[in-house]
Amino acid sequence: QLQLQESGPGLVKPSETLSLTCTVSGGSISSSSYYWGWIRQPPGKGLEWIGSIYYSGSTYYNPSLKSRVTISVDTSKNQFSLKLSSVTAADTAVYYCARHRGYLPHYWGQGTLVTVSS
Amino acid sequence: DIQMTQSPSTLSASVGDRVTITCRASQSISSWLAWYQQKPGKAPKLLIYKASSLESGVPSRFSGSGSGTEFTLTISSLQPDDFATYYCQQYNSYPITFGQGTRLEIK
Repeated sequence: QLQLQESGPGLVKPSETLSLTCTVSGGSISSSSYYWGWIRQPPGKGLEWIGSIYYSGSTYYNPSLKSRVTISVDTSKNQFSLKLSSVTAADTAVYYCARHRGYLPHYWGQGTLVTVSS
Repeated sequence: DIQMTQSPSTLSASVGDRVTITCRASQSISSWLAWYQQKPGKAPKLLIYKASSLESGVPSRFSGSGSGTEFTLTISSLQPDDFATYYCQQYNSYPITFGQGTRLEIK
């Protein structure tokens, strides 16, 4: 059964870089059928798509975050990662990784809360 | 970006009721519309894709309709497990965007 598990620091200081990894088990990240992406949700608020990546390395980013976001893939570890630079309190959120069927996030990890605070 | 607007923001209903949530897109998205259910502390769960296709394992009391700019999610007979927040999402083009959510609460 497919599982996606987010990992990384739960607390990041303002102006620093948020780094998260999503480990995929029960399926191959190198499958040609899927993209892999990140979505976030500030506490008590709605959902914001951050970006997605194909196993070949092709990426798509939300223009609102593009200047600060990097998504990468490591097929040898069956993982993909998110880096968000120059964070502020507005980046405090639950971060979800998800498998995408085309453009559609159809299978989500459980999410991890990242708090930006000094 | 394509803006997605849901109504109502909050809906109060009783077990057994038929409820409908509406989602409007700021421009045509054909049928590239999905609906998710989210419960507190949990990840969203895909219910409907391509406007009206039921995701595997989702009860048949959930249905979706619409195309272009106007879409609806209908729950034919509310069950206790259905009280949650529902989001629509367009995936016609990047960036993928979501509605602001509809909270379905017990009357």
